[in-house]
Amino acid sequence: EAQVTQNPRYLITVTGKKLTVTCSQNMNHEYMSWYRQDPGLGLRQIYYSMNVEVTDKGDVPEGYKVSRKEKRNFPLILESPSPNQTSLYFCASSLNGVNYGYTFGSGTRLTVV
Amino acid sequence: KQEVTQIPAALSVPEGENLVLNCSFTDSAIYNLQWFRQDPGKGLTSLLLIQSSQREQTSGRLNASLDKSSGRSTLYIAASQPGDSATYLCAVVSNYQLIWGAGTKLIIKP
Repeated sequence: EAQVTQNPRYLITVTGKKLTVTCSQNMNHEYMSWYRQDPGLGLRQIYYSMNVEVTDKGDVPEGYKVSRKEKRNFPLILESPSPNQTSLYFCASSLNGVNYGYTFGSGTRLTVV
Repeated sequence: KQEVTQIPAALSVPEGENLVLNCSFTDSAIYNLQWFRQDPGKGLTSLLLIQSSQREQTSGRLNASLDKSSGRSTLYIAASQPGDSATYLCAVVSNYQLIWGAGTKLIIKP
């Protein structure tokens, strides 16, 4: 089944403890991206990647890192999480990010205390 | 900078009604527009994708139209059912980014 898989689904962590949210797609898509969703602010893009080893900042990249070492994986790294990064996170992929639709993962609900 | 607006923010209608959700965008230079559904606390389910060269797409009881020149899209839901209750989001692809509207929260009353 074609899908985007995010892990974990739920995560509670403490301020400053490094964490990684994984994202993997099995559709051989070139384009992958990360979003966060917050009440009243909607969905905002964090980072995106148009291909392996090519990443770029979205609208809210501060406090996040990404890497794209292989086509199928696009992990989101929080080096030193803070409470304002408590949010619902979504990973998505698209064949090329332009002419084709986006497929989303099930989301990761992160709480930083 | 591209901005996407959805009206109304919330809508409550009795079951069986046909309804229209609106989405507008400020920059007509888009590659495509996608409508999604989100149930409370859940993920994003793609409903319809309209390429910039297309005028409409249909899937079952759903029909989405696109007028790029006026910066508008509508999602038409026929014969609404309680199971259609969810938040509906539109998003445009512009400059390799997906730009989102704030969504319309739809409640269908039995």
